[in-house]
Amino acid sequence: GAGVSQSPSNKVTEKGKDVELRCDPISGHTALYWYRQRLGQGLEFLIYFQGNSAPDKSGLPSDRFSAERTGESVSTLTIQRTQQEDSAVYLCASRPPMNTEAFFGQGTRLTVV
Amino acid sequence: AQSVTQLGSHVSVSEGALVLLRCNYSSSVPPYLFWYVQYPNQGLQLLLKYTTGATLVKGINGFEAEFKKSETSFHLTKPSAHMSDAAEYFCAVSPAGGTSYGKLTFGQGTILTVHP
Repeated sequence: GAGVSQSPSNKVTEKGKDVELRCDPISGHTALYWYRQRLGQGLEFLIYFQGNSAPDKSGLPSDRFSAERTGESVSTLTIQRTQQEDSAVYLCASRPPMNTEAFFGQGTRLTVV
Repeated sequence: AQSVTQLGSHVSVSEGALVLLRCNYSSSVPPYLFWYVQYPNQGLQLLLKYTTGATLVKGINGFEAEFKKSETSFHLTKPSAHMSDAAEYFCAVSPAGGTSYGKLTFGQGTILTVHP
């Protein structure tokens, strides 16, 4: 079956531009996560959507970062006025209800030049 | 609050040798614990998890991990390394209940190199 799909797979943008990253979770998965993985570093938590609860935004590094999720489907992560330090792989994961395993997408590699 | 510490950003073993990747966690509530693997240019894949019950859990590809509450540890082991085990391994913790149920916090990762 279809896994978590992220688009684009690669994005090169100029410093100061806005970017939108998209995540299509597995159908029926109520939880959705965004993580950032900088080169040579671990996974940095950004935001967590859990069903109808208010999202946990505690990991967003600045007000340039925002994320939305429409119901239990698509999520978009928006980075405004991109900076070079935003360059990283952005990973999305989803998890079904009453299950502990999160399934990860392949990530979007963002390069800010 | 929860956090994960993986001791050793790089571990190198010979093919056939024991693999031991260390993970310690901090959690204010009972945790669920996970090991994920990331092969080069691929996404993360679940190796194994501990939720409740038996503290020694077995995963895919011959890996296992033991939850030791007294040591707040969840070390990953494999008796005999294979070349195909070369990858980056991530330990993660999630609260088992409460408002943050399911929120995954990852360690910094350990890159495993296997020498012939």
